Amino acid sequence: GQNIDQPTEMTATEGAIVQINCTYQTSGFNGLFWYQQHAGEAPTFLSYNVLDGLEEKGRFSSFLSRSKGYSYLLLKELQMKDSASYLCAVGGNDYKLSFGAGTTVTVRA
Amino acid sequence: DGGITQSPKYLFRKEGQNVTLSCEQNLNHDAMYWYRQDPGQGLRLIYYSQIVNDFQKGDIAEGYSVSREKKESFPLTVTSAQKNPTAFYLCASSMVRGRDTGELFFGEGSRLTVL
Repeated sequence: GQNIDQPTEMTATEGAIVQINCTYQTSGFNGLFWYQQHAGEAPTFLSYNVLDGLEEKGRFSSFLSRSKGYSYLLLKELQMKDSASYLCAVGGNDYKLSFGAGTTVTVRA
Repeated sequence: DGGITQSPKYLFRKEGQNVTLSCEQNLNHDAMYWYRQDPGQGLRLIYYSQIVNDFQKGDIAEGYSVSREKKESFPLTVTSAQKNPTAFYLCASSMVRGRDTGELFFGEGSRLTVL
């Protein structure tokens, strides 16, 4: 099975940077995903890492270390609209994606 | 536009009743999934299907049933055997590439409340 851990809540100021960590223990690994979910809405895809290293996409970057079972999502130049829950998900065997509990990020003016 | 459509968006049910949540996709995706989300918890996998006429139990399948008679459709029935059915239900789909899990595309969700 999968065990995925991420912090429950984080708070940051508009314009700042926040880093959301995710650690995982898996029986198989076929990539790590980050999703954003606003309250009451469906998750939307942010990033995908399958090889070690940093993937940058605009204000958002995601990092993966497979040997350490570790990933982080970096949000730069925070905006009020970035207030949401961020879900770390690991692709395992048999086409299944397992999710962490999510990190609620609150951006304050 | 391509996407995933879930219905109904809100549903109220009396205890002891079965209800069926609809999920339709026109993305030509092979795999479809049902997740349940409770407040403060991550998404938990109920059932998934890689191909038509085949589906597998996820982590919390008890009290639920599914069918996959068409590639586009993957309805979920919440039976009276499900002890705590009040939750937000999300349907998703993905392409299948070898044994890799492709990016999941989600529907808008169905919020079920048992009265």
